Amino acid sequence: GALVYQYPRRTICKSGTSMRMECQAVGFQATSVAWYRQSPQKTFELIALSTVNSAIKYEQNFTQEKFPISHPNLSFSSMTVLNAYLEDRGLYLCGARDGQGRTEVFFGKGTRLTVV
Amino acid sequence: GDSVTQTEGLVTLTKGLPVMLNCTYQTTYSPFLFWYVQHLNEAPKLLLKSSTDNKRTEHQGFYATLHKSSSSFHLQKSSVQLSDSALYFCALRGGSFNKLTFGAGTRLAVCP
Repeated sequence: GALVYQYPRRTICKSGTSMRMECQAVGFQATSVAWYRQSPQKTFELIALSTVNSAIKYEQNFTQEKFPISHPNLSFSSMTVLNAYLEDRGLYLCGARDGQGRTEVFFGKGTRLTVV
Repeated sequence: GDSVTQTEGLVTLTKGLPVMLNCTYQTTYSPFLFWYVQHLNEAPKLLLKSSTDNKRTEHQGFYATLHKSSSSFHLQKSSVQLSDSALYFCALRGGSFNKLTFGAGTRLAVCP
């Protein structure tokens, strides 16, 4: 079956430092990867959408300078949170889908970021 | 832009009772609606999906019907179980083929 492994599951970083999270797709080709953030008491906000061989598209209020994303092949994507501060805390999820016409997005279990 | 509105907050029910979690949406595109369920410390998992007007879709005892006339895709189950306790998200794929817009989520708590 199709799975997405996301790691680390939890991370704590000092205010002003950076942390990187990764997603690995297994059992399908992750043509498209979306990164979401679920802040405390909030729903999932789309940070950016990455499609292999296309430019990464960031949503309003999120920038490449703050959340650089790499999507080098059909099985891997990573995102870094640069200069993390308190407002960046939350659960970060990657969701991937293939390019074969299937509509389902497969999610990783998320990376919970705590900033101290 | 696209938006999704769900029953907000916490819904608490006794085991065996029926449940309906509301979901309405706004989009100028042809909608594709999803329900995801997220159990504690787990990834969201697809529960139901539909893009067909007025056709009921079912999975694991849950069902929903997309009604384009009322822009709704309410989630229902006739008899909830303890294992149904989780966070439920309604999501819309509207303009962008790859982008999902999520509702705020509804937490369902089922009591013995």
